[in-house]
Amino acid sequence: DTGVSQNPRHKITKRGQNVTFRCDPISEHNRLYWYRQTLGQGPEFLTYFQNEAQLEKSRLLSDRFSAERPKGSFSTLEIQRTEQGDSAMYLCASSLAGTGNLEETQYFGPGTRLLVL
Amino acid sequence: AQSVTQLGSHVSVSEGALVLLRCNYSSSVPPYLFWYVQYPNQGLQLLLKYTTGATLVKGINGFEAEFKKSETSFHLTKPSAHMSDAAEYFCAVTRAQKLVFGQGTRLTINP
Repeated sequence: DTGVSQNPRHKITKRGQNVTFRCDPISEHNRLYWYRQTLGQGPEFLTYFQNEAQLEKSRLLSDRFSAERPKGSFSTLEIQRTEQGDSAMYLCASSLAGTGNLEETQYFGPGTRLLVL
Repeated sequence: AQSVTQLGSHVSVSEGALVLLRCNYSSSVPPYLFWYVQYPNQGLQLLLKYTTGATLVKGINGFEAEFKKSETSFHLTKPSAHMSDAAEYFCAVTRAQKLVFGQGTRLTINP
């Protein structure tokens, strides 16, 4: 039984560079979420997918951010032209949602910690 | 709109003492409530959740929480703290499929 995995676990980059993170959800889960967590704060929702469809994006997700889930399995989150304010922990979660299933539980990966210098 | 307030950003207790972490929520609909724990440099692990039914919910590692609708609270308790309980704890409520988290409470255990 494998949980949610994320790669890389840590990323250090220079301001202005592009970075891409990957999330592999629990295999049978159809929903995948991205959250951002800054130091001393709770995670904040960024976006989520049901299968390959991106259903909602937060206002936190500027035009420099893009997320994909091309085959409804793994997902990538790309940040273009990184800024120091992008430094945070990026968390991925997955869940199994179905008709009448209002009790879905989100299971989180270990996160990718990004530091923009 | 749903929101969560965790009272106390830091809580310190002695090993063996009662742990009480406070969470109040606001929700326009019956809420689904969660407690997650985060150890340093790790993701979030589900401790327990309330959806419907029994208002006293038991979770992992000896933790439990009680949903009190009249007080809009979902406080987390553990009768006897262990050194391994030292971590950050987050209360969350669901809003349109996504989780809305409180700001977290850092629990420190004193030997």
